[in-house]
Amino acid sequence: KNEVEQSPQNLTAQEGEFITINCSYSVGISALHWLQQHPGGGIVSLFMLSSGKKKHGRLIATINIQEKHSSLHITASHPRDSAVYICAVRFPGGGGADGLTFGKGTHLIIQP
Amino acid sequence: DAGVIQSPRHEVTEMGQEVTLRCKPISGHDYLFWYRQTMMRGLELLIYFNNNVPIDDSGMPEDRFSAKMPNASFSTLKIQPSEPRDSAVYFCASSLGPRRGNYGYTFGSGTRLTVV
Repeated sequence: KNEVEQSPQNLTAQEGEFITINCSYSVGISALHWLQQHPGGGIVSLFMLSSGKKKHGRLIATINIQEKHSSLHITASHPRDSAVYICAVRFPGGGGADGLTFGKGTHLIIQP
Repeated sequence: DAGVIQSPRHEVTEMGQEVTLRCKPISGHDYLFWYRQTMMRGLELLIYFNNNVPIDDSGMPEDRFSAKMPNASFSTLKIQPSEPRDSAVYFCASSLGPRRGNYGYTFGSGTRLTVV
């Protein structure tokens, strides 16, 4: 079964700390997404990766295809970064292959 | 573009009633997805369409659930009859799609369904 594992499930940190959230998956993928879901419930796509590294402001996402692993980093964290971060992958192949499979999410709280 | 538009934002209904959720994808997006989010199971794919045609509905929990996409700008997800265990947030998303080399997704704001 194609699976996506995220860690940690919950993370509480102080403002300014460097944050790392990890995602691993069971088989090769076509693309990996990092999503952010705020308490209001809306889902925003932060990054889409198939290789290498991407940076947007204080957010950095990396992926290691050989190790089947991705990380999301937040530098100089701020209370407004508090949200659930979800890793989602697109597995190649037939039947449902164009949909995403999601990790359970990491609930991040940044305290002032 | 206004993004992916879902309606209603919230729906409370009684067990046994029919529920219809609506979605308007981003114009020009070939793919439309319906996802469900619950505390227990997280986000799950229910069904997706490519060019208005249902491609995979293996995630639809049972026959009480049905989805249609009569044209490129509108899709519905219907539950009949509804049950309390259907209570969840239902998200619609659209995408240009992998076959155009673009895997990017845009999600709607979701419909929070409560069946009492």
